[in-house]
Amino acid sequence: DGGITQSPKYLFRKEGQNVTLSCEQNLNHDAMYWYRQDPGQGLRLIYYSQIVNDFQKGDIAEGYSVSREKKESFPLTVTSAQKNPTAFYLCASSIGRRNTDTQYFGPGTRLTVL
Amino acid sequence: EDQVTQSPEALRLQEGESSSLNCSYTVSGLRGLFWYRQDPGKGPEFLFTLYSAGEEKEKERLKATLTKKESFLHITAPKPEDSATYLCAVQGSDDYKLSFGAGTTVTVRA
Repeated sequence: DGGITQSPKYLFRKEGQNVTLSCEQNLNHDAMYWYRQDPGQGLRLIYYSQIVNDFQKGDIAEGYSVSREKKESFPLTVTSAQKNPTAFYLCASSIGRRNTDTQYFGPGTRLTVL
Repeated sequence: EDQVTQSPEALRLQEGESSSLNCSYTVSGLRGLFWYRQDPGKGPEFLFTLYSAGEEKEKERLKATLTKKESFLHITAPKPEDSATYLCAVQGSDDYKLSFGAGTTVTVRA
């Protein structure tokens, strides 16, 4: 079964802690993305990666970091510098290298700061 | 900057009562307009991509249309299982980025 997996489904963080959200895809997609979703707002882009070992900041990258060491994996670290991290985090992937590129989403991780 | 506005924010329908959702957009060089369905607590599920004005696509009770300034998602004879939040997004000249609207939450009562 091809798809995108995210883990964990729920994550609780204490103040001052860094946490890492996992995203894996077996669709052989080159491009991967991280979005944040807050109630009443559209999805906002945090980071994206078009190819292994390369990534770029999106609109709200402050307080987050990523790595792209493997084509299949794009983990997101929420650092203690992120002032309001409670949100629903969505990972997506797309074929990449195309003029119009449909993004497919994982099931999401809900992060709550205690 | 690309902008997407969806209306209404919420829509309550009786089963079988057809209606339309609106997605207004401003973008430099539209590469594609996307519709997704999102159930509570889950990731968005891809529905349609529209590429140019005049294009239409259908899937079961859903039909998406596109003009130069807006897109409509028509729901014909909806059923309770069509209850969800419907998201619209555009892809402009920056080929990596999708700009999303806030969504329309549709509730269909039996």
